[in-house]
Amino acid sequence: NAGVTQTPKFQVLKTGQSMTLQCAQDMNHNSMYWYRQDPGMGLRLIYYSASEGTTDKGEVPNGYNVSRLNKREFSLRLESAAPSQTSVYFCACGTGNQPQHFGDGTRLSIL
Amino acid sequence: QKEVEQNSGPLSVPEGAIASLNCTYSDRVSQSFFWYRQYSGKSPELIMSIYSNGDKEDGRFTAQLNKASQYVSLLIRDSQPSDSATYLCAVRPLGSGNTGKLIFGQGTTLQVKP
Repeated sequence: NAGVTQTPKFQVLKTGQSMTLQCAQDMNHNSMYWYRQDPGMGLRLIYYSASEGTTDKGEVPNGYNVSRLNKREFSLRLESAAPSQTSVYFCACGTGNQPQHFGDGTRLSIL
Repeated sequence: QKEVEQNSGPLSVPEGAIASLNCTYSDRVSQSFFWYRQYSGKSPELIMSIYSNGDKEDGRFTAQLNKASQYVSLLIRDSQPSDSATYLCAVRPLGSGNTGKLIFGQGTTLQVKP
């Protein structure tokens, strides 16, 4: 049982490049989330999808887009990467009042 | 005022002692409360959930919730060096509806010294 799988685990981009972070869950949860974690800033919600077919902005959505491809998959896209988007990105899933479960993260550096 | 507040620490305790981690929250009608442990370079891992006032024990961990005072705490008994990590408090406000959204504190770094 893999839980929440994120790819890639590490990535280095140049400013202006684009890329998509992938997330897939096999926990049959309805909701999925993308967070970024920066030193001293804690976990900040970028976007979330409460259920298949819906997406909503979180606390820090600027510069990102998301797609809820199906119940299992939720991707995060950086259209034009900026150094300020250097961070660790976590995908999580959950249902209702239950806790969220996190993937291993993607460490992204933008030069 | 931050919605979920934790002392960033570091909190340093000797091996075998009780570590006490505290978290306060601003939304009086918050419903659910969670403690996550995060080792350096790793992802957050759920260690405790608590939904009603009082204490909930799981092994060496005890979560305590006091909704009237708007705080939740985590006690770690017989602390071990392997408990050294950052502990994140997460709160689900009533207004989150079916989204399941959580609000996280900044985390408290715990150091257990042999």
